[in-house]
Amino acid sequence: DSGVTQTPKHLITATGQRVTLRCSPRSGDLSVYWYQQSLDQGLQFLIQYYNGEERAKGNILERFSAQQFPDLHSELNLSSLELGDSALYFCASSSSGGGNGYTFGSGTRLTVV
Amino acid sequence: EDKVVQSPLSLVVHEGDTVTLNCSYEVTNFRSLLWYKQEKKAPTFLFMLTSSGIEKKSGRLSSILDKKELFSILNITATQTGDSAIYLCAVPGTTSGTYKYIFGTGTRLKVLA
Repeated sequence: DSGVTQTPKHLITATGQRVTLRCSPRSGDLSVYWYQQSLDQGLQFLIQYYNGEERAKGNILERFSAQQFPDLHSELNLSSLELGDSALYFCASSSSGGGNGYTFGSGTRLTVV
Repeated sequence: EDKVVQSPLSLVVHEGDTVTLNCSYEVTNFRSLLWYKQEKKAPTFLFMLTSSGIEKKSGRLSSILDKKELFSILNITATQTGDSAIYLCAVPGTTSGTYKYIFGTGTRLKVLA
């Protein structure tokens, strides 16, 4: 157990729907990162939050949004889902800026049918 | 644009073989290079290499960094079936003030008994 908790582990939903993925960072970690992993793209950075504020943004689609709450857990919202959004979504956390790397959660496997 | 390229994409070896995995990178402001191992789900941290730490070793795994030629290699000696995994290489992107890691697509290693 890495200490980073992601729920749910699996999610199957239809095109056009909206889902919310949840992440609780490791105790004491202030930074949360979201990544998308698909077979042909590898791990793609989506967004980072640090202590409730957005710190960096990657190639995150406008249909996707995220936030980090005062208790430091984070949620990634995916809307108007398309088949191509099917992927593993990872959350990672770090104690500061991430200079020593991240600790990853076990991921949420999203399947859009 | 920041980039990480890993080779080979996949590799099949027999137990006891030695393997070398390659990672080349392009980033404007190099700070560090990380190696992760991804078995079933969450990538787990292996090594971090920096300008002041260009060689790391842990048991049968070792890694070196060549800052001049912009690459790193990960060596695994006396491979075991438990080494079967995807090995990921990452560098922090150029954005200052944050560690937004750019990952390669990984090398998928399969070790046969």
